Amino acid sequence: GQSLEQPSEVTAVEGAIVQINCTYQTSGFYGLSWYQQHDGGAPTFLSYNALDGLEETGRFSSFLSRSDSYGYLLLQELQMKDSASYFCAVRDPYGGATNKLIFGTGTLLAVQP
Amino acid sequence: GAVVSQHPSRVICKSGTSVKIECRSLDFQATTMFWYRQFPKQSLMLMATSNEGSKATYEQGVEKDKFLINHASLTLSTLTVTSAHPEDSSFYICSADSSGNTIYFGEGSWLTVV
Repeated sequence: GQSLEQPSEVTAVEGAIVQINCTYQTSGFYGLSWYQQHDGGAPTFLSYNALDGLEETGRFSSFLSRSDSYGYLLLQELQMKDSASYFCAVRDPYGGATNKLIFGTGTLLAVQP
Repeated sequence: GAVVSQHPSRVICKSGTSVKIECRSLDFQATTMFWYRQFPKQSLMLMATSNEGSKATYEQGVEKDKFLINHASLTLSTLTVTSAHPEDSSFYICSADSSGNTIYFGEGSWLTVV
């Protein structure tokens, strides 16, 4: 089966940089995505890595190392509004041509003043 | 604005009754939609893949007779929780593929069974 492990909670202060890690075990791999979810809301797409290396999107960056089955999300210049849950996700290799996502365990980020 | 809409956003039902949740793609046709369940402080767990015009594909451990999925049109999938029990109380969320390979999530539906 597929499994994606993340730290359960991370705490940081405003203006800081925080890294959220994701290690995965999948029988096939079509790239790693990151989603943000505020309490009670829908997941919001943040970033996607199909190949090794760093992808930067504003204050958010995501990194992938396929050889290590590892990726991380980097959040810079943290703001209070970044307090949310963050999920890594992979496409199910048995999902055919669809975007059937398997989500990681999730990381609750708490940004403190 | 939202391109995938879920309704209702919140519903309370009595134990033993059934409740239907709708997922609509507003700006595109979706041959495939997905239903997830999320318990508080946990991850999103895929329940089933909803296929337009054919039977849904359920993930292991999900009771197909309890969670009925119908995808009768290219813009609408429904999830019916039958004979609901308090342990079915959860956040249910759908997603849909657009032709551009982008995933859109609905706003989610909070179900409380009392």
